[in-house]
Amino acid sequence: GAGVSQSPRYKVTKRGQDVALRCDPISGHVSLYWYRQALGQGPEFLTYFNYEAQQDKSGLPNDRFSAERPEGSISTLTIQRTEQRDSAMYRCASSLGGAAQGDTQYFGPGTRLTVL
Amino acid sequence: DAKTTQPNSMESNEEEPVHLPCNHSTISGTDYIHWYRQLPSQGPEYVIHGLTSNVNNRMASLAIAEDRKSSTLILHRATLRDAAVYYCILRERNYGGSQGNLIFGKGTKLSVKP
Repeated sequence: GAGVSQSPRYKVTKRGQDVALRCDPISGHVSLYWYRQALGQGPEFLTYFNYEAQQDKSGLPNDRFSAERPEGSISTLTIQRTEQRDSAMYRCASSLGGAAQGDTQYFGPGTRLTVL
Repeated sequence: DAKTTQPNSMESNEEEPVHLPCNHSTISGTDYIHWYRQLPSQGPEYVIHGLTSNVNNRMASLAIAEDRKSSTLILHRATLRDAAVYYCILRERNYGGSQGNLIFGKGTKLSVKP
């Protein structure tokens, strides 16, 4: 079946521009997560949603970063006024949520963002 | 979440078993032990998880110490495709809903030699 998809796969932008990264979770998955991964490091949590509600945004580095999931399915991570330090791989994951014991997260292929 | 400690890297020969250790001395009674791995140029993928008893699935086995302060992920016959970074992650048991985000450390980079 279809897994988590993300678009675009690669994004090159100039410093100061806004970017929007899209995540399409596995159908029926309640929970959706955004992570950021620098080269050679493990993924770092940014924010997550249950349905359309943003449950935790403590990992967003500053107010230039925002995320939404208006209909409880597709999510968009927006970075305003991009800076070079925002360059990274941005990964999305989804899970069934609920009371599932393991609550396995399934990751998408990521969006590689490069800010020039 | 309690922290985990893993070796930075390990090497294995193809077709041989691999034991990947993880220390979690501050684990609480409600923490599950999860393992994810990340193959080169891919997103992380779930491997296995357990609470107290040893667990087996098609990918690996998880051996959990009796005091739960450590665990070992066992790949019974390593293949070249098992070369990846393996992450040991503790997750608090949560009956009420999603268990929230995963906290990845640096993991163990496993190299498999032919």
